[in-house]
Amino acid sequence: EAQVTQNPRYLITVTGKKLTVTCSQNMNHEYMSWYRQDPGLGLRQIYYSMNVEVTDKGDVPEGYKVSRKEKRNFPLILESPSPNQTSLYFCASSYRGRTDTQYFGPGTRLTVL
Amino acid sequence: GENVEQHPSTLSVQEGDSAVIKCTYSDSASNYFPWYKQELGKRPQLIIDIRSNVGEKKDQRIAVTLNKTAKHFSLHITETQPEDSAVYFCAASDYAGKSTFGDGTTLTVKP
Repeated sequence: EAQVTQNPRYLITVTGKKLTVTCSQNMNHEYMSWYRQDPGLGLRQIYYSMNVEVTDKGDVPEGYKVSRKEKRNFPLILESPSPNQTSLYFCASSYRGRTDTQYFGPGTRLTVL
Repeated sequence: GENVEQHPSTLSVQEGDSAVIKCTYSDSASNYFPWYKQELGKRPQLIIDIRSNVGEKKDQRIAVTLNKTAKHFSLHITETQPEDSAVYFCAASDYAGKSTFGDGTTLTVKP
């Protein structure tokens, strides 16, 4: 089944404890992206990747890191999480990226205490 | 950078009526305008999209119009049904891969 998967789905952590949210797609998509969703603010793009080893900042990249070593995986790293990073995170992928349908993962609800 | 404004933030209609949601964008480099539907507790899913070389696109009860000159695009849902109740997001994307979303419209269809 073609899909985007994220792990973990739910995470409660404490300030400063490094964490990684994984994202994987099995559709051979070139483009992958991370978003955060906060009430009343829609989806805001954190980072995106047009292909392997190519990543770019979105609108809200501060406090996050990403890497794209393989086509299928695009992990989101929070090196020192803070409470203002408490949010719902979505990973998405699309075939070519620029003008293509994005398929979203199920979301990761992160709480930073 | 790109700025996308979406209106209204909430919309309530009677079943069978039409619903219209409007978005404006600021960056003339944007060339792809998708609309996503997000049901409560679920992921966003594409319902329709339009590219900058097209003025209108229709898929059954859903249509999208784009006015490049005025930098605005709209979602039209006709003959609304209770299952259309959800949050709808517009977005604008450019060739570089950046995507900017509107803040969403909560549509409620009353039976």
